[in-house]
Amino acid sequence: NAGVTQTPKFRVLKTGQSMTLLCAQDMNHEYMYWYRQDPGMGLRLIHYSVGEGTTAKGEVPDGYNVSRLKKQNFLLGLESAAPSQTSVYFCASSPTGVDTGELFFGEGSRLTVL
Amino acid sequence: GQNIDQPTEMTATEGAIVQINCTYQTSGFNGLFWYQQHAGEAPTFLSYNVLDGLEEKGRFSSFLSRSKGYSYLLLKELQMKDSASYLCAVSDSNYQLIWGAGTKLIIKP
Repeated sequence: NAGVTQTPKFRVLKTGQSMTLLCAQDMNHEYMYWYRQDPGMGLRLIHYSVGEGTTAKGEVPDGYNVSRLKKQNFLLGLESAAPSQTSVYFCASSPTGVDTGELFFGEGSRLTVL
Repeated sequence: GQNIDQPTEMTATEGAIVQINCTYQTSGFNGLFWYQQHAGEAPTFLSYNVLDGLEEKGRFSSFLSRSKGYSYLLLKELQMKDSASYLCAVSDSNYQLIWGAGTKLIIKP
């Protein structure tokens, strides 16, 4: 039972470097989300997708891009990392969206930007 | 603006009962969720309330009052493994989840 898998789990970047976080789910869920979690704050939605080939902006999309070329994968890209992007990133998926359905989260990716 | 308020930290004793409160002010309401998050781990779903009243699920219960913008999570017969952060989240009029900062619950023997 893999569920939602995120890679990598940890990464250290220098300011200006780029990277991609990969989220893969094996539950055939339509909806996928990328959140960031910072100390003292609630989870904040970066981008989300309601199905293969679709993406939409969340609350804090600036500095991030996403792609959903395959239903099971949702990629989060940082083109030019900044120290403000130091955070723990969580991917989540759900079969029906957040109106009634629970979110299934990956284990998180801890990113440090120096 | 939209706001979810929960206490930052609470302490309770093993075997006791604890109530974690959550108040919210959001543009619309389409349900309230509680999640549990152990340190360094992913959040996991605990409960969902959309109608007023109490929902019971084993040792955990969740209550909602939409008129008061208020919910609580009640944990009974506390165990050491219940030490975690408890996150309150509200689905707003656009079906987006607004999250509280979480309540860190410390269980003492």
